[in-house]
Amino acid sequence: AQSVTQPDIHITVSEGASLELRCNYSYGATPYLFWYVQSPGQGLQLLLKYFSGDTLVQGIKGFEAEFKRSQSSFNLRKPSVHWSDAAEYFCAVGASGTYKYIFGTGTRLKVLA
Amino acid sequence: GAVVSQHPSRVICKSGTSVKIECRSLDFQATTMFWYRQFPKKSLMLMATSNEGSKATYEQGVEKDKFLINHASLTLSTLTVTSAHPEDSSFYICSATSDRMFREQYFGPGTRLTVT
Repeated sequence: AQSVTQPDIHITVSEGASLELRCNYSYGATPYLFWYVQSPGQGLQLLLKYFSGDTLVQGIKGFEAEFKRSQSSFNLRKPSVHWSDAAEYFCAVGASGTYKYIFGTGTRLKVLA
Repeated sequence: GAVVSQHPSRVICKSGTSVKIECRSLDFQATTMFWYRQFPKKSLMLMATSNEGSKATYEQGVEKDKFLINHASLTLSTLTVTSAHPEDSSFYICSATSDRMFREQYFGPGTRLTVT
């Protein structure tokens, strides 16, 4: 069965520090992978996506993610975190044969000034 | 980019009444829309998938008669929570996509429902 795991429920980093949010997936074929960010009480905003091609994907707000097939991972990174990056981050995989997403449980990022 | 709106953003209703939430794709035609429910500090739970002009497909465990979904046009889907109870209080989010968008869903801002 397809699944997405975000091992870290909460992460706290200092402003200016680097960030890596982990995402592991279980999928039988080449996955369609997404990272979304959600601010409190808001909808989801797409940060980046991977469908095929270059395994290092650049997104908005200075985020990037790397698809590693051998590790079934799609980790999100940012070299220098800003206080405004504090939010909930969701990894998602596109389900086979449909347009449905399977979401991870999310990682809540806290940024210390 | 593609924009999806939801109305209302917040609604409070009394137990036993029904409430309707609208989801609109503002600048594209959405052949498929999704409705999610999100509990506090939790992930999104897919409730149903709706395709324009056909009946919605509900996920396992979601009551079809309680959560009525209509996708009457390519730009509008509605979710009606019937005979609402306090346990239906939640954050409801819709998303939309089309065949041209190649699996990318565009999300609305969400609707906070409180049943008193």
